[in-house]
Amino acid sequence: EPEVTQTPSHQVTQMGQEVILRCVPISNHLYFYWYRQILGQKVEFLVSFYNNEISEKSEIFDDQFSVERPDGSNFTLKIRSTKLEDSAMYFCASYVWTGELFFGEGSRLTVL
Amino acid sequence: KQEVTQIPAALSVPEGENLVLNCSFTDSAIYNLQWFRQDPGKGLTSLLLIQSSQREQTSGRLNASLDKSSGRSTLYIAASQPGDSATYLCAVEGSARQLTFGSGTQLTVLP
Repeated sequence: EPEVTQTPSHQVTQMGQEVILRCVPISNHLYFYWYRQILGQKVEFLVSFYNNEISEKSEIFDDQFSVERPDGSNFTLKIRSTKLEDSAMYFCASYVWTGELFFGEGSRLTVL
Repeated sequence: KQEVTQIPAALSVPEGENLVLNCSFTDSAIYNLQWFRQDPGKGLTSLLLIQSSQREQTSGRLNASLDKSSGRSTLYIAASQPGDSATYLCAVEGSARQLTFGSGTQLTVLP
C-alpha cells in the first residue's frame, strides 16, 4: 500500500541551527501538508502546498519556516534558526482530491 | 475559528465491549470529517472519512456518524480488542482545506 515516508525519524539539534525535514508524498497525490504536534498538545496545521506553491499557512508558519518541492518527489520543511519551542513531532501529509489525508510516521525534532 | 472537542479524554474498557467516542465542532461549514488512530510516538492512521453530504461510514468493526447541523460525530467501535488501544483523533476540514484536530480520546482495552 502506498505511504508517505519521512526522514529523519528523529533529529536533535542545537538552538539556532537550521533543520530540514524531508517527506516523500504518495506518488499521484497533488496536495501536500505539514502539521506539527508538540508533546501532549493537539496536532496543528502549518502549511499546505499545491501546484508548486503555498496554498495556506497558519500563524505558526512564520519567516523561520519554508517549504520546497525541489524535485518531483521530495517535499521539504526547513526551519531556518530553531528555537526551543520548535521541539515537536512534524508530520507530512498528502492527498489527491477525495479529502482523505494520509500522514507519514513523523519526524521528531528535539531542540536543545 | 473552528474548535474541535473530544469526549471523553480517556476511556478504559474490558475486551469485548462496544464503545462510543464523541467529537463536536463549533463551525458546521465543513467539507468532511476524518477519524484517525495514533499509537504512542507514531503517525496518524486514517480510519474513516465522512464527506459533509454523508451521514455515516463503516469499516469493519468501526462505524462513524456525522450530524453536521448539530456539529457532532461519533465513532462506534464494536467488540473492542486490546489491539484497539490507541489515541483516536477527530479532525474536520473547513473552507481553508486544512484539518482542525481535537485533543483525542486515549482508549485502553483491557484483556
